[in-house]
Amino acid sequence: AQKVTQAQTEISVVEKEDVTLDCVYETRDTTYYLFWYKQPPSGELVFLIRRNSFDEQNEISGRYSWNFQKSTSSFNFTITASQVVDSAVYFCALSEAGGGGATNKLIFGTGTLLAVQP
Amino acid sequence: DAGVIQSPRHEVTEMGQEVTLRCKPISGHNSLFWYRQTMMRGLELLIYFNNNVPIDDSGMPEDRFSAKMPNASFSTLKIQPSEPRDSAVYFCASSYRYTQYFGPGTRLTVL
Repeated sequence: AQKVTQAQTEISVVEKEDVTLDCVYETRDTTYYLFWYKQPPSGELVFLIRRNSFDEQNEISGRYSWNFQKSTSSFNFTITASQVVDSAVYFCALSEAGGGGATNKLIFGTGTLLAVQP
Repeated sequence: DAGVIQSPRHEVTEMGQEVTLRCKPISGHNSLFWYRQTMMRGLELLIYFNNNVPIDDSGMPEDRFSAKMPNASFSTLKIQPSEPRDSAVYFCASSYRYTQYFGPGTRLTVL
């Protein structure tokens, strides 16, 4: 069975602090995809990153970085020098590979509410 | 590209009424998903289509819910009759090879 766990319900930091959001997943598939989405107070779901199970390279995009470790089934997300605009709910999600390149459903974690105080 | 388009953005209706939510996926995307978000249950898949064909509707709560995708550029989610427990934000997402892009959502309130 697939499952995504985001143990941190809420995190509060002060602007310019670094913060790491944890994500642990479970799957029996050998090919799968991991995602992070951001949901700001306005409510839309914004895609941030996708990682393939066969690619464990960490990724950095500006102040955002992601650490994927298959050995611990984790896909953690770090924001460096946080800003007030980073305040949002962040969802980690898992998708198993569909046949023929088709997209499969997303299994979401419960989300982590990040509040960045000025 | 305009992104995924959903209408209406907000819907307030009374219990027992029929509600139809609409979605236009991103052009060229071949998969379409309907999700529901509530405080109690989080984000959950209702149904999804690949190449306009329903693949998995196991998340549809009951027979009151139905979804169609008559062509590659349009899908509807219908609730008939609606109940207060259907109040939620309904998201449509589309994808081409793995990454799903979400529409802005429809906030449904059933009184």
